[in-house]
Amino acid sequence: NAGVMQNPRHLVRRRGQEARLRCSPMKGHSHVYWYRQLPEEGLKFMVYLQKENIIDESGMPKERFSAEFPKEGPSILRIQQVVRGDSAAYFCASSPPGLPGTDTQYFGPGTRLTVL
Amino acid sequence: DQQVKQNSPSLSVQEGRISILNCDYTNSMFDYFLWYKKYPAEGPTFLISISSIKDKNEDGRFTVFLNKSAKHLSLHIVPSQPGDSAVYFCAAHWSGGSNYKLTFGKGTLLTVNP
Repeated sequence: NAGVMQNPRHLVRRRGQEARLRCSPMKGHSHVYWYRQLPEEGLKFMVYLQKENIIDESGMPKERFSAEFPKEGPSILRIQQVVRGDSAAYFCASSPPGLPGTDTQYFGPGTRLTVL
Repeated sequence: DQQVKQNSPSLSVQEGRISILNCDYTNSMFDYFLWYKKYPAEGPTFLISISSIKDKNEDGRFTVFLNKSAKHLSLHIVPSQPGDSAVYFCAAHWSGGSNYKLTFGKGTLLTVNP
């Protein structure tokens, strides 16, 4: 009964490259959330997705960041032309079908992105 | 603007004693509060929550207290155990808005010494 899976766990990119972070929700979960934790900060909400739909992307930076949750496969958080300020831990969470909530969100171990 | 504040970056407690972790919030719209525990190299794990209609919620060794007038909540762990050593995040959301969107504090590193 695997939990939320994220890969890679560590990702190093040079400025200007693209970063792709993957998240496989828990089995049976249909809601996915992405959070970002900058150094010395708390986690900040980025985006909430259901299968093939972006429900709320109010926390996403307006440029260079995009997210998807296709019908098949993991959710992808994509960062184009990375800059040093994108260095952070990116956490994915998932929750079961039905009304989304917060105490039913299960978090993955995170991807630590380092931009050189 | 830090809407959820955990002013103590770290706390050290002796095994068997009480650990008290504090959290303040500024957004009076928040009406649901949660505590998460995070071990290194793992994601946060939900620990306990409290609705604003209550002032106390207890689950085993963990109790959360909410003081709405002071916009303050605290997590009590008693007795503390070495396995409780972790980073504890306070989080909040507003049920009338997006009830899935958590706002987190920066966390407090708890160390329980044997």
